[in-house]
Amino acid sequence: QQQVKQSPQSLIVQKGGISIINCAYENTAFDYFPWYQQFPGKGPALLIAIRPDVSEKKEGRFTISFNKSAKQFSLHIMDSQPGDSATYFCAASRDNQGGKLIFGQGTELSVKP
Amino acid sequence: EPEVTQTPSHQVTQMGQEVILRCVPISNHLYFYWYRQILGQKVEFLVSFYNNEISEKSEIFDDQFSVERPDGSNFTLKIRSTKLEDSAMYFCASRRVQETQYFGPGTRLLVL
Repeated sequence: QQQVKQSPQSLIVQKGGISIINCAYENTAFDYFPWYQQFPGKGPALLIAIRPDVSEKKEGRFTISFNKSAKQFSLHIMDSQPGDSATYFCAASRDNQGGKLIFGQGTELSVKP
Repeated sequence: EPEVTQTPSHQVTQMGQEVILRCVPISNHLYFYWYRQILGQKVEFLVSFYNNEISEKSEIFDDQFSVERPDGSNFTLKIRSTKLEDSAMYFCASRRVQETQYFGPGTRLLVL
């Protein structure tokens, strides 16, 4: 019930293409869904986040789509750039219950020039 | 921009030894967390700390682990008797009240 499942494990995209990473969760009590970006040897950094009362959130080239009934959410990176090459983690939490983050397995994104 | 800092960046220790990992959270934050990431795997929650006490801990956080906020700025994770399987990257995180958790750069712990 606490798990967050993420796919794909790895993704190769051409520069300028769209990168799409998907996540699914079980616990309907989760109320906060962030995406973190991690470069090798660094800590995760918040990229964008959404709450379940919104179906989509866009910040620059990054968009989260949220499907509450399907218990799924996804990250879309438009016009992908080589600098976007990193590992992306989705996560979920019960934000008003201490906020511990349950992370997905991670997706290693490689954007080819 | 304020950030979470962690020391040391790398720690090598012998099995059975005690280690203390240190973190300085962002100054006006109220919630503090430790996570770990075994090489190539996902980030896993260890413990959360609020109002000077543990608010939640995972199954990983057994009696060998402890946390402390000894003063107004530091937040430490102690592993009393390290095991080979404790080798991982340990991340400290903090947040003000809700939503965004800010992560430190991590401490890479290697237990030999």
